Amino acid sequence: DAGITQSPRHKVTETGTPVTLRCHQTENHRYMYWYRQDPGHGLRLIHYSYGVKDTDKGEVSDGYSVSRSKTEDFLLTLESATSSQTSVYFCAILAHGGGELFFGEGSRLTVL
Amino acid sequence: GQQLNQSPQSMFIQEGEDVSMNCTSSSIFNTWLWYKQDPGEGPVLLIALYKAGELTSNGRLTAQFGITRKDSFLNISASIPSDVGIYFCAGLEGAQKLVFGQGTRLTINP
Repeated sequence: DAGITQSPRHKVTETGTPVTLRCHQTENHRYMYWYRQDPGHGLRLIHYSYGVKDTDKGEVSDGYSVSRSKTEDFLLTLESATSSQTSVYFCAILAHGGGELFFGEGSRLTVL
Repeated sequence: GQQLNQSPQSMFIQEGEDVSMNCTSSSIFNTWLWYKQDPGEGPVLLIALYKAGELTSNGRLTAQFGITRKDSFLNISASIPSDVGIYFCAGLEGAQKLVFGQGTRLTINP
């Protein structure tokens, strides 16, 4: 258990509403990531963070923003949710070097 | 960004059979990793490969880092019901960013 908690675990919302997903870690790791998982696409990186207030875009960052004001929390925000953002979102931390990520349990978001 | 092509996309096998899957890339990676995802959970690391040509085992799992650095293979011997899930390959890109394949969904008939 790498001490990662995602919230909420499930959310249904309407098109055009803002949504924030939270990732919380208890072990003070520097790197944190947000991925989305969709059938046929595997896991695609949205944004990642390499320290407090240090973030960078991944391959599918359009329509998403992130913030990291504390080491333990990494927030993913959809300013105006669209149906194409219906997905399962996974947070991950880099617990060791060499790409060994530990993932949270996922947050399932449905945008109607 | 880089893309990883993973095959097959799905497999339906009998319990006890061996399984092989692979992952290819148009670009070189210096680290390859294999993850497994059980239903309703996040992916979990199975094997990490750090050197071209490296062959690494973890129980019934064996993975290889292709000599060209553009591919990797995962084999599962004598499959059992708990092997069911989605298997992902991943390549390490730049500063601690992972690129994932599309996944191989493994189904086992008892």
